[in-house]
Amino acid sequence: AQSVSQHNHHVILSEAASLELGCNYSYGGTVNLFWYVQYPGQHLQLLLKYFSGDPLVKGIKGFEAEFIKSKFSFNLRKPSVQWSDTAEYFCAVNANTNAGKSTFGDGTTLTVKP
Amino acid sequence: GAVVSQHPSWVICKSGTSVKIECRSLDFQATTMFWYRQFPKQSLMLMATSNEGSKATYEQGVEKDKFLINHASLTLSTLTVTSAHPEDSSFYICSARGIGPVEGTDTQYFGPGTRLTVL
Repeated sequence: AQSVSQHNHHVILSEAASLELGCNYSYGGTVNLFWYVQYPGQHLQLLLKYFSGDPLVKGIKGFEAEFIKSKFSFNLRKPSVQWSDTAEYFCAVNANTNAGKSTFGDGTTLTVKP
Repeated sequence: GAVVSQHPSWVICKSGTSVKIECRSLDFQATTMFWYRQFPKQSLMLMATSNEGSKATYEQGVEKDKFLINHASLTLSTLTVTSAHPEDSSFYICSARGIGPVEGTDTQYFGPGTRLTVL
């Protein structure tokens, strides 16, 4: 079975600070990896995804994530956060063999202070 | 991106009644639909996976007789919470997987969720 671990439950940053949110997964086979964002009162939106190819993936709103296979990690980064990035961030993984069922991490709440 | 709608967005019902939640993919055909449950301050827990025209596959611990899923077409899936009780109060989110009109790739799109409160 696959599982996802997000190490940071709540991160508080000031505007312009750099962000890195950790995500590790456990699964021995080929996986697809995702980061989703849930703004207050809104539904989940896809930030970025990795299926194959370049392990450094660029997403919307200046976010990027790097897949490091040897570390089973898919950390989310942004060089300079804004107040509007305040949201809940979820890492998710699905294995190619399980019909697309995604397993989600517990989420990280990001609070950006103006 | 593609649009997935849910109806209703919130519902309050009495204990013992049944509630139906609809999930529609508005601008693409969903090969698969997923139903999740999200408790406050927690992550999404997959309840079941359904493909059009076939029975849903439920995750371990999810009662299939309590959470009835019907996937009647490539754009509509429904979740019925039967004989709802206060412990069923939660945020229910559907997700539709298909080839979105803009991305052109097989992607999972999420609905806005339905907040169910059982009194």
